Amino acid sequence: QSALTQPRSVSGSPRQSVTISCTGTSSDVGGYTSVSWYQQHPGKAPKLMIYDVTKRPSGVPNRFSGSKSGNTASLTISGLQSEDEADYYCCSYAGTYYVFGTGTKVTVL
Amino acid sequence: VQLVESGGVVVQPGGSLRLSCAVSGFTFDDYAMHWVRQAPGKGLEWVSLISWNGGSTYYADSVKGRFTISRDNTKNSLYLQLNSLRAEDTALYYCVKGLGYAFDIWGQGTMVTVSS
Repeated sequence: QSALTQPRSVSGSPRQSVTISCTGTSSDVGGYTSVSWYQQHPGKAPKLMIYDVTKRPSGVPNRFSGSKSGNTASLTISGLQSEDEADYYCCSYAGTYYVFGTGTKVTVL
Repeated sequence: VQLVESGGVVVQPGGSLRLSCAVSGFTFDDYAMHWVRQAPGKGLEWVSLISWNGGSTYYADSVKGRFTISRDNTKNSLYLQLNSLRAEDTALYYCVKGLGYAFDIWGQGTMVTVSS
């Protein structure tokens, strides 16, 4: 049950796009269409941003999008805004358990 | 929709405690529920899952055999029994509602500190 691998940090200027990768194995990310993404601001509970690789819950801006290729999932934030500065975690179902990513800090320059 | 955790305390290594989560605002027995934890300054770690009727439970390897998840659908409540606690179990424990294979509603968490 090893954590999925994410870059420690990514940054971008307002209105730019950033992409966060999430690399696992064929036993988790590559084996299921069950990757989700969470945004967490300091001192707050995580918030679901993407589920089932590409689906957005009601209320999540459409500048957030998800994709997957093989054992790597990605979250793209298009048109970066200051309020997007936060920590982001991916998560994958893996049959009898779930595994989170190591987390990525997104900085808006 | 509200999930309110309670029961977090400071406990000695080897000790036990039970966390509770009171749920309101949705039909509790329609959904699987999870516990997810976050050590201070660290990332998220999935801990355990219980099916809508309590018939199936799953655990992370790190807590298997020491933690027990349960639910009481008549009380709209979720529980986590923590035994044989270790320093590495120190974390903020979140009660989380399942949405398929994702987690869509999170509580604010209850802090468990394992220290002598």
